[in-house]
Amino acid sequence: DTGVSQDPRHKITKRGQNVTFRCDPISEHNRLYWYRQTLGQGPEFLTYFQNEAQLEKSRLLSDRFSAERPKGSFSTLEIQRTEQGDSAMYLCASSAGSLLAGVGTGELFFGEGSRLTVL
Amino acid sequence: GEDVEQSLFLSVREGDSSVINCTYTDSSSTYLYWYKQEPGAGLQLLTYIFSNMDMKQDQRLTVLLNKKDKHLSLRIADTQTGDSAIYFCAEKTRVKFYFGSGTKLNVKP
Repeated sequence: DTGVSQDPRHKITKRGQNVTFRCDPISEHNRLYWYRQTLGQGPEFLTYFQNEAQLEKSRLLSDRFSAERPKGSFSTLEIQRTEQGDSAMYLCASSAGSLLAGVGTGELFFGEGSRLTVL
Repeated sequence: GEDVEQSLFLSVREGDSSVINCTYTDSSSTYLYWYKQEPGAGLQLLTYIFSNMDMKQDQRLTVLLNKKDKHLSLRIADTQTGDSAIYFCAEKTRVKFYFGSGTKLNVKP
C-alpha cells in the first residue's frame, strides 16, 4: 500500500507528558500537511511543508507544538507538556504540489489519523 | 477562506437521492472538494470541481457549483446504506485547504 501512513493510531497519555506522531506521505508528494480534528468538527489546519521547509503555521499551533520534516520525506509532530485540550485526532495529508501555487488540483490524500487522548 | 459551512445532518431512505449543501467564502478558491469520512478513519477524496465549472458528474455523484452565491452541492443518486458517513466540503486557496464541519448522512434501509 503506498498511501499516507500514520503512527501510532492511538495514544493515551497523562497530562504533562510529551507525545510524538509520525507521518509517512505518499512517496512522490512534496507537500505534507498536519490537521487537527475534534469531535463533530472538520479538520483544522495546523501546518504544512513544501519538501523539508515548513512554510506556514496556524495560530492554533502553540509553542508546545513542533513539526519537522528533516529530509523532505516523513514528518513528525511533537506535543510537549500535553494538556487535556490537546485531545483530538491528528491527521496528516500529502499532495503533489508545486512551487507554483495553485498548479494542478493538488488534492489532499489523508492518512488514517493518530487519535490522542490526554488524561 | 476559513468560513466553510454545511448543515450538520441529513437522513434519507435507501434508494433516494441525497443532496448535501455547502457555502464558502473565498471567491479566489481554485478548487472545491468533497471528502467522505467513515467512523474512525481518515478522509477519503470523493470528487472535486474546478472553480470555472458549473457541474461535474462522476457515476452516482453530481457536483453543482454556483460561484455567484458561493454555493456547492453534492448529489448522491440511489443512496445506499454504505454511503452513511460524514461528508466534508473543502475549498482550496493557493496551497491551504479549509474544511466545513461536515454533514452526517444517515441512510435508512
